[in-house]
Amino acid sequence: AQSVTQLDSQVPVFEEAPVELRCNYSSSVSVYLFWYVQYPNQGLQLLLKYLSGSTLVESINGFEAEFNKSQTSFHLRKPSVHISDTAEYFCAVSESGYSSASKIIFGSGTRLSIRP
Amino acid sequence: EAGVTQSPTHLIKTRGQQATLRCSPISGHTSVYWYQQALGLGLQFLLWYDEGEERNRGNFPPRFSGRQFPNYSSELNVNALELEDSALYLCASSLAGTLADTQYFGPGTRLTVL
Repeated sequence: AQSVTQLDSQVPVFEEAPVELRCNYSSSVSVYLFWYVQYPNQGLQLLLKYLSGSTLVESINGFEAEFNKSQTSFHLRKPSVHISDTAEYFCAVSESGYSSASKIIFGSGTRLSIRP
Repeated sequence: EAGVTQSPTHLIKTRGQQATLRCSPISGHTSVYWYQQALGLGLQFLLWYDEGEERNRGNFPPRFSGRQFPNYSSELNVNALELEDSALYLCASSLAGTLADTQYFGPGTRLTVL
């Protein structure tokens, strides 16, 4: 069975500073990895996902995450954050090859707060 | 294009009552998923419907049930409500029930059980 751990429940950073949100997973098989973002009073949106291929994946709004198999990590990074990035971020994992979306396991979330 | 919609936004019930939550997927999407987001517990998968059939369910008791209608909208029913059922219930839809297809989430229904 898989599990996912988000080590930080809250991350406060100053605007235009870099940020890293940590995510570690546990699985005995190959995995797919996801980052979702939940803006205040909204539902979740897929930010980026790793299915196969390049271990570095990017989103359209400047976030990137790197799949590190040896460290079983999928940390999310952004070199310069904006006030609009204030949200809760969820890391998720699933076994690769499964067609059922029900196999996605979500982390407990990291609340990113940006200070002006 | 309209996104996933859920109703009601908020729902307050008492222990033992039944709650019905509704979800309308994005037009053209046939798969609907339900998740429970309880405080401090992250998102837990509840149910997956596709083409009107229940395809899979998470580790929840049978008093959590639902259905998908011919127009692909869906209902989640929670019977014999308990205090710990208080949570944000999120619905998502996708074109097909595969991980390669992005799930689009609605804003959720916040259920409070008193």
